[in-house]
Amino acid sequence: GAVVSQHPSWVICKSGTSVKIECRSLDFQATTMFWYRQFPKQSLMLMATSNEGSKATYEQGVEKDKFLINHASLTLSTLTVTSAHPEDSSFYICSARRGHSEAFFGQGTRLTVV
Amino acid sequence: DAKTTQPPSMDCAEGRAANLPCNHSTISGNEYVYWYRQIHSQGPQYIIHGLKNNETNEMASLIITEDRKSSTLILPHATLRDTAVYYCIVRVGPNTPLVFGKGTRLSVIA
Repeated sequence: GAVVSQHPSWVICKSGTSVKIECRSLDFQATTMFWYRQFPKQSLMLMATSNEGSKATYEQGVEKDKFLINHASLTLSTLTVTSAHPEDSSFYICSARRGHSEAFFGQGTRLTVV
Repeated sequence: DAKTTQPPSMDCAEGRAANLPCNHSTISGNEYVYWYRQIHSQGPQYIIHGLKNNETNEMASLIITEDRKSSTLILPHATLRDTAVYYCIVRVGPNTPLVFGKGTRLSVIA
C-alpha cells in the first residue's frame, strides 16, 4: 500500500508555544488529506479535511485559528497547534488520499504539552 | 455519530479464526462496509471493504448478510500481531471521511 509519513512521532512542548506536525505522502500525490485527533482510550475524531491548494474544512467544534492546516503541495500537509495548552495533549493522525482511491494513514504524532 | 455497533472486546486463541461482528442496521443501499484496525499507538490500517458480496483478500474475509444489516470480519489464523482495535465503518465511498466508532478490542492470546 501507499506510504504516509508523519513527523515528528512524538513532541513535548511548553504551554503557550506552537507546534508543527508534518504529514507527507511518500510515493503518491495526495489530493486530499485528513487530520484526526485521538485522546487516550477514545476513538479517532476527524478534525479537518484539506484539499491541495484550498483552505481546510474544519469539523464542528474544531477551532480553525488554533489548529492551522496548510496543504500547499500534493505531498505535504502541516498541522500547527498554536498556543498549545495541556488539554491539547493528544495523538494526532493524518491520512492522505489520491483522487478517489482509499486513504492511507500516517503513524501518528503524540503531542504532550507541559 | 458512528452508524455501527460492535462488541467492546473479544479474545481469540492464537492460530484460531477470529470472527468480529458488526451491526449496521441503518445502512443505506449505496453505503459500503469498511474495516480498519489500529495497533496500539499507530495509525489505522485498512483491512477490507465490501458492498453486498463477500470479499476476501490476503488479510481477511468479509461476510455481509443478505439484508446487509450486519457483517463479520474473519481473520482466518489469528496471530499475536493481530491484537488491535478493529473498526467497522459504513460510508458511501472513499470520497467521504471515515467516522470511527469505538471499535472492538481484539486480544489474541498465546
